[in-house]
Amino acid sequence: GIQVEQSPPDLILQEGANSTLRCNFSDSVNNLQWFHQNPWGQLINLFYIPSGTKQNGRLSATTVATERYSLLYISSSQTTDSGVYFCAVGKVGNEKLTFGTGTRLTIIP
Amino acid sequence: GAGVSQSPSNKVTEKGKDVELRCDPISGHTALYWYRQSLGQGLEFLIYFQGNSAPDKSGLPSDRFSAERTGGSVSTLTIQRTQQEDSAVYLCASSLQRGAYEQYFGPGTRLTVT
Repeated sequence: GIQVEQSPPDLILQEGANSTLRCNFSDSVNNLQWFHQNPWGQLINLFYIPSGTKQNGRLSATTVATERYSLLYISSSQTTDSGVYFCAVGKVGNEKLTFGTGTRLTIIP
Repeated sequence: GAGVSQSPSNKVTEKGKDVELRCDPISGHTALYWYRQSLGQGLEFLIYFQGNSAPDKSGLPSDRFSAERTGGSVSTLTIQRTQQEDSAVYLCASSLQRGAYEQYFGPGTRLTVT
């Protein structure tokens, strides 16, 4: 099946810093989503981005489908940004999402 | 509008008992998915429904696991003769249609088998 790798596995930053999270995948996809899992375990949708670039406030994401990677940018980090960020992809003709192992982000005041 | 809802939020059961987990998808969403999240395995797919049929059951870990969906809406995941390795958070998601559509997740059911 498709492989999804996220890096770095852990990231500790001071409040106000910027960060870049990376997601590499091993095959063509027609679905790519970024999620933030909050401390209560809820998966919050950040972006649906199988290709191109999107921005939402302090967050933005870029997917280069031809090179099989996606990047999530977080600017001016806040403590509420702490949590685990997951990338998940879906292959053409296969509806399920395959998740990466996540990046655990900790923002220190 | 209302999101995906799941019940119960927590379930503690004894080894060998059967459990039923419920998922209410977003109204109008025809595709429904079950995943589970455990410490050792991460987030993994279990089963997918389009309407009331399940074209992909490939993620169900054993024949103790089954799921059904009625009326194209509510789904129930049943685990028979629970084992300790079944302890996990079971997540349900829905999307507008099958294919390349955004999936939205419920809050999950935390299952603990003692």
